[in-house]
Amino acid sequence: DAKTTQPTSMDCAEGRAANLPCNHSTISGNEYVYWYRQIHSQGPQYIIHGLKNNETNEMASLIITEDRKSSTLILPHATLRDTAVYYCIVGSNDYKLSFGAGTTVTVRA
Amino acid sequence: EPEVTQTPSHQVTQMGQEVILRCVPISNHLYFYWYRQILGQKVEFLVSFYNNEISEKSEIFDDQFSVERPDGSNFTLKIRSTKLEDSAMYFCASSEGPNEKLFFGSGTQLSVL
Repeated sequence: DAKTTQPTSMDCAEGRAANLPCNHSTISGNEYVYWYRQIHSQGPQYIIHGLKNNETNEMASLIITEDRKSSTLILPHATLRDTAVYYCIVGSNDYKLSFGAGTTVTVRA
Repeated sequence: EPEVTQTPSHQVTQMGQEVILRCVPISNHLYFYWYRQILGQKVEFLVSFYNNEISEKSEIFDDQFSVERPDGSNFTLKIRSTKLEDSAMYFCASSEGPNEKLFFGSGTQLSVL
């Protein structure tokens, strides 16, 4: 599975959009981009995933560049409850999600 | 929303003892997984299970580990002879199919003394 690179941490103001970048320059054609988050020590929580097209659901939007070498997760209106570690994962199936260190997002009031 | 249930939430055991961690996946899901997270470290894949057999396993999942779906609802992880380094949070997960989202349980904190 392709590796991903994410910033170690970022801050966001409550009510503002949070844009989380992820680089995956070695992604191959059949690999999906998945985003999960982990709040404190809870189990990881699925946010969104996509292959080529941009995706949106009730939690977030996923923007994938045309060359698929990077993507951005957008939390449209961050709340304090969105404080978590966010993981960008690339893989061709979900038999084996490889979690990295992720981005620690702190939403401040 | 449906959820994956794990029991117990905490398990303390002596080194060398056997432990069984239990999980009830979401009822219509077909794929089952175990992950673990040692304190302060990354979430690590252990094993995936589909159609009553292991689909894939990591290097961590050695002969001391086994998984079973003893009935139509439970999915268990057994560690035959626990070691100190097995102390971790163990997460069960399930999904409807490949490339579908994983639903994780809230975990079992295993402490080996």
